Amino acid sequence: QKEVEQDPGPLSVPEGAIVSLNCTYSNSAFQYFMWYRQYSRKGPELLMYTYSSGNKEDGRFTAQVDKSSKYISLFIRDSQPSDSATYLCAMKGRGADGLTFGKGTHLIIQP
Amino acid sequence: NAGVTQTPKFRILKIGQSMTLQCTQDMNHNYMYWYRQDPGMGLKLIYYSVGAGITDKGEVPNGYNVSRSTTEDFPLRLELAAPSQTSVYFCASTQRTDTQYFGPGTRLTVL
Repeated sequence: QKEVEQDPGPLSVPEGAIVSLNCTYSNSAFQYFMWYRQYSRKGPELLMYTYSSGNKEDGRFTAQVDKSSKYISLFIRDSQPSDSATYLCAMKGRGADGLTFGKGTHLIIQP
Repeated sequence: NAGVTQTPKFRILKIGQSMTLQCTQDMNHNYMYWYRQDPGMGLKLIYYSVGAGITDKGEVPNGYNVSRSTTEDFPLRLELAAPSQTSVYFCASTQRTDTQYFGPGTRLTVL
């Protein structure tokens, strides 16, 4: 079983729809959870960051972490064509070592 | 601030050649990281550094070397390039041990 599972998609939705992106993980030591957005041929851009369980909202984006289920989600409200990108979940435990990434979900918002 | 910069943007190497991928950050971050991203995959950690003079291996270090003589620079060295090292390489940095900020990447092809 891979440490972080993420459906690669593609996920295609109409403009204005609510998008739900998810990851599951197996390592109970993960404490920090992030969502990155990556446009084609660009570097990952930090979108949302959550520590431990709970919700965090930033504009049209909401991140949820359920540590008991080892499940994290990213919701995008009022989706726009400019939201079309690959969304990578990432997580880590305490300490200075690197992030563990999912494979990324390719999201397409149809105008 | 320019953030994290990487050079070159693109490079084609022949099998057995060597090269150094450059990474510089101007945010005075202590922690720096190198990842590789293969097509359709998430990022995998190659090496990381917690400060000048201190480096450690990540998940996929074989075939690579790093050094960290200054806070700003964290070069990645490929000594004997192999086709399996064809990938996109990302450098990241952070002042904390949770979120990381990525450069634009170096696209490397080994033929």
